[in-house]
Amino acid sequence: EAGVAQSPRYKIIEKRQSVAFWCNPISGHATLYWYQQILGQGPKLLIQFQNNGVVDDSQLPKDRFSAERLKGVDSTLKIQPAKLEDSAVYLCASSPTPDRTNYGYTFGSGTRLTVV
Amino acid sequence: AQTVTQSQPEMSVQEAETVTLSCTYDTSENNYYLFWYKQPPSRQMILVIRQEAYKQQNATENRFSVNFQKAAKSFSLKISDSQLGDTAMYFCAFMNLQGGSEKLVFGKGTKLTVNP
Repeated sequence: EAGVAQSPRYKIIEKRQSVAFWCNPISGHATLYWYQQILGQGPKLLIQFQNNGVVDDSQLPKDRFSAERLKGVDSTLKIQPAKLEDSAVYLCASSPTPDRTNYGYTFGSGTRLTVV
Repeated sequence: AQTVTQSQPEMSVQEAETVTLSCTYDTSENNYYLFWYKQPPSRQMILVIRQEAYKQQNATENRFSVNFQKAAKSFSLKISDSQLGDTAMYFCAFMNLQGGSEKLVFGKGTKLTVNP
């Protein structure tokens, strides 16, 4: 099966600009996650969708970050305006839900964002 | 809140030897999963092994095995017969099975280098 697709792979922007990342999960996976991985740290969940509804966005900085998953398939994550501390790898992952017998995400290769 | 601690920022091992990566976690929950993920330079997080907290038997996957000590809240990963392709960042992660969120909480990672 095809994996989780993310684009772009790299992005460099100036602070205060806006940026958007795109994710296409594995076909049929109901749950989609966006994680932020700052250099030297483990990934941190930003937002979790189940179909097109939000399950958990408690760690999403809502003053500048937004995400949507229209039609319960593809998702976009937007940052506006970007700050220097937003420099990180943004990982998208998906999982079939409910699947209480096989917890384990499939991750994409991420987008590396550099804010200068 | 759950926390995951990996106390070894970097480890190295000779090819064909055995190495153990440490992980401790803190939770008041009783029903959870633990994972080890591998992240090569391609950035994609790859599931190595998982352990259900209710299972006393330690999980094994080919050359990878865990030592799960629930009372001590310890979850170490043993890699036997290390191969050059095992060189990567390794992340320990926790998933609470209570509630609707399937959030993974990651440690900061251990950089493993396998030397020829």
